[in-house]
Amino acid sequence: NAGVMQNPRHLVRRRGQEARLRCSPMKGHSHVYWYRQLPEEGLKFMVYLQKENIIDESGMPKERFSAEFPKEGPSILRIQQVVRGDSAAYFCASSPSWTGGNSPLHFGNGTRLTVT
Amino acid sequence: DQQVKQNSPSLSVQEGRISILNCDYTNSMFDYFLWYKKYPAEGPTFLISISSIKDKNEDGRFTVFLNKSAKHLSLHIVPSQPGDSAVYFCAASGKTGTASKLTFGTGTRLQVTL
Repeated sequence: NAGVMQNPRHLVRRRGQEARLRCSPMKGHSHVYWYRQLPEEGLKFMVYLQKENIIDESGMPKERFSAEFPKEGPSILRIQQVVRGDSAAYFCASSPSWTGGNSPLHFGNGTRLTVT
Repeated sequence: DQQVKQNSPSLSVQEGRISILNCDYTNSMFDYFLWYKKYPAEGPTFLISISSIKDKNEDGRFTVFLNKSAKHLSLHIVPSQPGDSAVYFCAASGKTGTASKLTFGTGTRLQVTL
């Protein structure tokens, strides 16, 4: 499967624990985007990364959330000290280049985080 | 501030008939619009897009219409099939700063009945 791969598919954490979500982009894609979908809402942009660079993190909460896309390996979205309000589906998308033109994003199947 | 709005949370259409899903936007900087389809427990799948220089784009059973003056777009599916039952998201992007990101609507759940 050459699509965007996310793992785990489901993640359960207790309040105060850390959550790590992984995303491997499509082959040949060097740009990664993270989106969050809260229940009954649309997807909301969180962060846009290129290899070793954060390009736009305007959608990231100011505290507890961080993202990286190292030179080797998957992109990681990290949530420290999770709270119940972090329960959501987190989707990753990738593109071969900046999508300011007319190239659609391709999404993975998401990680469903449940905070108990 | 919801910049992309899908005012109908759900829509039921008979198989073989036309499905029309609507979307309104408020940000005049948006210049590229997309429709995504989403099944439960899966990620959004790209369906069709349209650039602001066009007013119509067609791909098989799917047609997207854009009315820039009204800041309105619609997705037509004809004929509708049971496999089209899913949540449809409208999304928009624009050349803002150094990066582009999608702004999504809240989705419309389409049910195609037999």
